[in-house]
Amino acid sequence: DAKTTQPPSMDCAEGRAANLPCNHSTISGNEYVYWYRQIHSQGPQYIIHGLKNNETNEMASLIITEDRKSSTLILPHATLRDTAVYYCIVRVRFSGSARQLTFGSGTQLTVLP
Amino acid sequence: GAVVSQHPSRVICKSGTSVKIECRSLDFQATTMFWYRQFPKQSLMLMATSNEGSKATYEQGVEKDKFLINHASLTLSTLTVTSAHPEDSSFYICSASGGGSSYNEQFFGPGTRLTVL
Repeated sequence: DAKTTQPPSMDCAEGRAANLPCNHSTISGNEYVYWYRQIHSQGPQYIIHGLKNNETNEMASLIITEDRKSSTLILPHATLRDTAVYYCIVRVRFSGSARQLTFGSGTQLTVLP
Repeated sequence: GAVVSQHPSRVICKSGTSVKIECRSLDFQATTMFWYRQFPKQSLMLMATSNEGSKATYEQGVEKDKFLINHASLTLSTLTVTSAHPEDSSFYICSASGGGSSYNEQFFGPGTRLTVL
C-alpha cells in the first residue's frame, strides 16, 4: 500500500470548516484513499473513501486532486466532538482476502471553542 | 455500518496472569479479524490477522505463544495475553471484515485498555 504524509497537528475554530490534507504521491491506479478518525481511547471510525472522484457523505467531503497524488478531507462545520486523530490510508480495495490497514501517524485535529 | 464489540472495555491484572479479550461481530459474519495494539501517543500497529477456522498470522516481532488468538466462529475472535507483564499494558483494538461486501471493508471495535500491575 502507498505511503501517506499528513501534518502532525491542526487547529480549527468551532463552526468553521476543517481541511485536512494528505499526500500520497506514490498511489497506484487501483488504490483507494480512505479516511478514518480515532477519538481518544476509542477504536477508529470510518469516515469516507474515494478513488478519483470527489465524494461526500453525512460526515465529510473528500477532494482528490486530478493526478491523485494528494487529497483533502473537509469537515464542513467542525464541532468540539470532531477533535480526534485523523488517518489518511491508501489501500487496494478488492474482493477476496481482506487486508489489514496500515496506520501512519495521522493528524491530531483540535477544534477550539 | 456493521457493529463490532469488544469485551472487556478495560482490565487491570497482576503481572504473570493471563487475560482474554473478546471481539465479536454483532450483525455480520467476519471471515477475517485483525488485532492491533496501540501504545500511548502512538499509532495502531497490527499484531496479527486471523481467518475463521485457521491459525492466525502474526506480524514480525509479535510472539505467537504470548498472544494467543482464536477465531473459532464467524462472529468471535479472542486474544489471550499469557503471563502478562507491565510492558504489555496497551490499548488493544480488533477489527472485523467480511460483512457481505465484495470489498471486505473493516469495522473496528471500541478497544480494550489493558493495565498490568
